[in-house]
Amino acid sequence: AQSVTQLGSHVSVSEGALVLLRCNYSSSVPPYLFWYVQYPNQGLQLLLKYTTGATLVKGINGFEAEFKKSETSFHLTKPSAHMSDAAEYFCAVSGSFSGGYNKLIFGAGTRLAVHP
Amino acid sequence: DSGVTQTPKHLITATGQRVTLRCSPRSGDLSVYWYQQSLDQGLQFLIQYYNGEERAKGNILERFSAQQFPDLHSELNLSSLELGDSALYFCASSGPGGRVAEAFFGQGTRLTVV
Repeated sequence: AQSVTQLGSHVSVSEGALVLLRCNYSSSVPPYLFWYVQYPNQGLQLLLKYTTGATLVKGINGFEAEFKKSETSFHLTKPSAHMSDAAEYFCAVSGSFSGGYNKLIFGAGTRLAVHP
Repeated sequence: DSGVTQTPKHLITATGQRVTLRCSPRSGDLSVYWYQQSLDQGLQFLIQYYNGEERAKGNILERFSAQQFPDLHSELNLSSLELGDSALYFCASSGPGGRVAEAFFGQGTRLTVV
């Protein structure tokens, strides 16, 4: 079975500071990993994804994440936070189920606050 | 715009009532997923349909049911509503294939049960 753990339900950073949102997963099959962002009163938007290949993945808005199989981690980073990055971030994992179909399992989410 | 359309955007109803939420997936997507987002439970997977057939079930209550129609749109039916059912309900869709490469989310339906 797949599961996702996001460390820290709330993270606060100063504008211009490094953003680090932590995600650890468990999966019985090689995982696909995702980060989604949710702005207030909006749906979820894909930031980036890892499927196969290069373990450092770049996404939109300057975010990137690195898949580390040995650590079962997929942490999200951004070198310099911007006020507009304030939102809730969700890490998700998918894996194959019998019949080849699958579902996304989400972490509990991390609310990022950016202060001046 | 993700290409996934959910209606209605907002719904206010009384306890004990029944409502239907509708989702139109992106053109060409065969999978539809339903999620419930509440303050205390987070983002919970409810159910997945693939090309009209139920494929995976999550934490979906017996009072809830869903289906996917031949035109691939999906409906989530919630009955005997309780105050605790108040939440944001999201629909997502993804393309054909054995593993979800990317799921696209709709804007959600905010259900308020009073």
